Amino acid sequence: SAVISQKPSRDICQRGTSLTIQCQVDSQVTMMFWYRQQPGQSLTLIATANQGSEATYESGFVIDKFPISRPNLTFSTLTVSNMSPEDSSIYLCSVEDSRGDTQYFGPGTRLTVL
Amino acid sequence: GQSLEQPSEVTAVEGAIVQINCTYQTSGFYGLSWYQQHDGGAPTFLSYNALDGLEETGRFSSFLSRSDSYGYLLLQELQMKDSASYFCAVRDTYGSSYKLIFGSGTRLLVRP
Repeated sequence: SAVISQKPSRDICQRGTSLTIQCQVDSQVTMMFWYRQQPGQSLTLIATANQGSEATYESGFVIDKFPISRPNLTFSTLTVSNMSPEDSSIYLCSVEDSRGDTQYFGPGTRLTVL
Repeated sequence: GQSLEQPSEVTAVEGAIVQINCTYQTSGFYGLSWYQQHDGGAPTFLSYNALDGLEETGRFSSFLSRSDSYGYLLLQELQMKDSASYFCAVRDTYGSSYKLIFGSGTRLLVRP
């Protein structure tokens, strides 16, 4: 299994500002995933981040709005840029086990944009 | 398009058995997973089926029929702590790798 931590756990931000969310894993992993989850809703994949290459974004998500860094095999950041109230959500990072059977999720970052 | 359908809510009493169904339509398929999420918590892995049949893990079992694009999660001897949301997820191809596509989730309420 993998132990994942995220910072911050929650934040309240003003419209137009940016927030960077950090994700730290206790072991080296090839791929890290970033999801968004509205309260009571399903998980929507934002992008997949491989170390040493640019992140791959899902339809509806763009790099200018959600830039991602992946400087090494245990760490990634997701920035939510130029925030609006519609960006209020829970943001989760996850990693996959070596067999690909299981994804482990971080505790999430609860973002509120005023 | 890609879609996974599961009931939005299920209610059952403590000690009973409940089945949560999931039907899927995806461009690729490499397995069906189930995740549990308590309110305010992160999703946690329950089970994974890559082949047809039943997988049992304690009180939880998961079934897959690839020909029917259908699976279910079976929870036995329900306990109050099983009240949570349950998501099915299909492992699909993603370029040269894989990704998970999640269903909308089923909220399970266990009553005394």
